[in-house]
Amino acid sequence: SQTIHQWPATLVQPVGSPLSLECTVEGTSNPNLYWYRQAAGRGLQLLFYSVGIGQISSEVPQNLSASRPQDRQFILSSKKLLLSDSSFYLCAWSVLARDTQYFGPGTRLTVL
Amino acid sequence: DQQVKQNSPSLSVQEGRISILNCDYTNSMFDYFLWYKKYPAEGPTFLISISSIKDKNEDGRFTVFLNKSAKHLSLHIVPSQPGDSAVYFCAASDNTGKLIFGQGTTLQVKP
Repeated sequence: SQTIHQWPATLVQPVGSPLSLECTVEGTSNPNLYWYRQAAGRGLQLLFYSVGIGQISSEVPQNLSASRPQDRQFILSSKKLLLSDSSFYLCAWSVLARDTQYFGPGTRLTVL
Repeated sequence: DQQVKQNSPSLSVQEGRISILNCDYTNSMFDYFLWYKKYPAEGPTFLISISSIKDKNEDGRFTVFLNKSAKHLSLHIVPSQPGDSAVYFCAASDNTGKLIFGQGTTLQVKP
């Protein structure tokens, strides 16, 4: 069966520090991968998606970037965090672009 | 521009009764709709989906209804259980495959 992992589960970082959140998927090959953000009391906002290694599409211009160095690995990064980057970050995968997406456990990021 | 809207931020229902969560959308190109359930500090869990070629899909206690002319879908939970208390998100997808989520509705099922 397929599983999706995210780490860390929680993270507290100072303003201006770098960020690296990792997501890995097991049990499937060539998944579509997604990064979402959920601000308090709001819906899920799609940040990036990837249909293959090295292929990243950005949905929202911002302080963040994403990379896919391996087939089942998706990384969310920032060179300098802002206070407004505090949020709950979720990784998801799907078999095909139009398929159901399955979410990881999420990372709670607090920028102080 | 909110293409998927859940206009009720919260809903409270007695255990054993029916819970009805509503969702409206504006984009007529959406052809696949999903409902997710989310507990605090966890990722959303897929519940049920429906294609635009159908108007109803049922899975156990969960039924999703789609009214394309009204651009409206709803999730019925019967009977409601205290463990159903969570935030419910509806989502819609067009031929690009990207999901657009509503803001969520917090369901509380009282014992």
